[in-house]
Amino acid sequence: NAGVTQTPKFQVLKTGQSMTLQCAQDMNHEYMSWYRQDPGMGLRLIHYSVGAGITDQGEVPNGYNVSRSTTEDFPLRLLSAAPSQTSVYFCASSYPRGGGAFFGQGTRLTVV
Amino acid sequence: AQRVTQPEKLLSVFKGAPVELKCNYSYSGSPELFWYVQYSRQRLQLLLRHISRESIKGFTADLNKGETSFHLKKPFAQEEDSAMYYCALRVSSGSARQLTFGSGTQLTVLP
Repeated sequence: NAGVTQTPKFQVLKTGQSMTLQCAQDMNHEYMSWYRQDPGMGLRLIHYSVGAGITDQGEVPNGYNVSRSTTEDFPLRLLSAAPSQTSVYFCASSYPRGGGAFFGQGTRLTVV
Repeated sequence: AQRVTQPEKLLSVFKGAPVELKCNYSYSGSPELFWYVQYSRQRLQLLLRHISRESIKGFTADLNKGETSFHLKKPFAQEEDSAMYYCALRVSSGSARQLTFGSGTQLTVLP
């Protein structure tokens, strides 16, 4: 039972480069989210999706794009990486009616 | 907008001592409250949620709507409890039932 799987685990980017963080879940959850974790700031919501084809912005969406073509996958795209996007990124999924969210193992991104 | 406050960034206690991690929230409706734990370099795991009223790994948390608090407690801390703890809230209205997290409390249990 894989749960929520994120790839890659680590990534170093140069300023201005673009990349996609992958997230997949095998629990048939409708809700999926991306958070960034920064010291002293907890987890902040970047984008979320309530189902295939539906996405919306969270608290800190600038510089990121998402899409949800299937229930299972929710990739996060960095359009033009900036040092301020150095962070640990977590993907999460959950059922819409309640219960806790399940998190991936995180992607540690460094932008130089 | 909803907000979760964890006033302590760092908390150290000795093994066997009681521990309380504070969490306060602001939300005008009826929230769902959660505690998540993150052990060193691991993913976040759900520890407790208020609606289940259960005890996990000796931890309990009671929702106090009057004080808008959801403090996490354990009577006798263990070294393996050392971790980052996040309090989180989920709103009950609208189509977007996303989690709002506090800034976290790093708990260290000393031998």
